[in-house]
Amino acid sequence: AQSVTQLDSQVPVFEEAPVELRCNYSSSVSVYLFWYVQYPNQGLQLLLKYLSGSTLVKGINGFEAEFNKSQTSFHLRKPSVHISDTAEYFCAVTLEYGNKLVFGAGTILRVKS
Amino acid sequence: DGGITQSPKYLFRKEGQNVTLSCEQNLNHDAMYWYRQDPGQGLRLIYYSQIVNDFQKGDIAEGYSVSREKKESFPLTVTSAQKNPTAFYLCASSLTGVQEKLFFGSGTQLSVL
Repeated sequence: AQSVTQLDSQVPVFEEAPVELRCNYSSSVSVYLFWYVQYPNQGLQLLLKYLSGSTLVKGINGFEAEFNKSQTSFHLRKPSVHISDTAEYFCAVTLEYGNKLVFGAGTILRVKS
Repeated sequence: DGGITQSPKYLFRKEGQNVTLSCEQNLNHDAMYWYRQDPGQGLRLIYYSQIVNDFQKGDIAEGYSVSREKKESFPLTVTSAQKNPTAFYLCASSLTGVQEKLFFGSGTQLSVL
């Protein structure tokens, strides 16, 4: 079965600094990978997804992620964060023909002024 | 506007009581999901349904029940057999499966009196 590990539970960063949120997955077969964001007391919104093709995926709000098959990673990056990026970010994985989406434990991004 | 509506926003359960969380979508999606969110644990799948009148257990189905009598509705009942029901419950839908974008409701916070 697939699983997801988000390596940092919280990431504090100053406004306009770059940020990387780390995600590693385990699976012996092809997977699809996702990053979702959750603002306080709300549901989740899709930031970006990797299904196939280019390993660098661009999403909404200036975020991007790179799929690295050899390291089984899908780290999320943003070159310059804003206060409004403060939220919890979830990495998720599903098998290519799977019917379950497995989420990581989440990383809380705190952007400080 | 199309979307997913969860109600109520807050719900309180007494000992031995069953409670039902509502989830309605007007996106014409075939697939619907229920997730439970606990702090620091990410989202865990309770039940999912890929078509009307059919549903499958997720990873933590014990103490929960669902029905899918209509395409747009997927209510979740938290039964008295669920001994630790306090959590944030999220409903989601997608066009056909988890390989696509999941649309989430704004959640229901369930607490035990």
